[in-house]
Amino acid sequence: AQSVSQHNHHVILSEAASLELGCNYSYGGTVNLFWYVQYPGQHLQLLLKYFSGDPLVKGIKGFEAEFIKSKFSFNLRKPSVQWSDTAEYFCAVRGSNYQLIWGAGTKLIIKP
Amino acid sequence: GEEVAQTPKHLVRGEGQKAKLYCAPIKGHSYVFWYQQVLKNEFKFLISFQNENVFDETGMPKERFSAKCLPNSPCSLEIQATKLEDSAVYFCASSHRGDEQYFGPGTRLTVT
Repeated sequence: AQSVSQHNHHVILSEAASLELGCNYSYGGTVNLFWYVQYPGQHLQLLLKYFSGDPLVKGIKGFEAEFIKSKFSFNLRKPSVQWSDTAEYFCAVRGSNYQLIWGAGTKLIIKP
Repeated sequence: GEEVAQTPKHLVRGEGQKAKLYCAPIKGHSYVFWYQQVLKNEFKFLISFQNENVFDETGMPKERFSAKCLPNSPCSLEIQATKLEDSAVYFCASSHRGDEQYFGPGTRLTVT
């Protein structure tokens, strides 16, 4: 069965620091990958997705992710974080029946 | 509508009582998904619909959980005889073609 692991459960950074959140998936075939964000008190929002093509994917709010097939990874990056990026970030892979299979999430706290 | 709506926001039930949750998908979206998030942990897929037909129910606990999506009505998820372990946030998502999923705000179910 497919699975997703997010290595960091809690990350604390200062404003302007660079961010990289790890995500690894288990499936070796064609994958569709997603990063979602949940800001405090808000809905889950899609940050970015990878279906095919350029493995470097740009998302909203200055986020990007790189799909590295050989490493089964889809890490999320942002060059310079802001206080408003404080949120929980979830990586997910699409299953064979379109359902999302989720990582455990990473809680990101940005210190002003 | 342009957003997935879920009602109620919060629901409190005594053990053994019935709980019913509702989800109105985005107009024009063919797929509806239900996920359960226990104690801010990973999201667990429960069931999905393509229009009013069950698409995938592999995540549903068969004994006490049921769900429907009828034409011209919100979709529903019903739990008969709730147990303490059913306490969770239940998220509904809709999707046009099974690709991107758009999430509702969730219903927090507390079983006492």
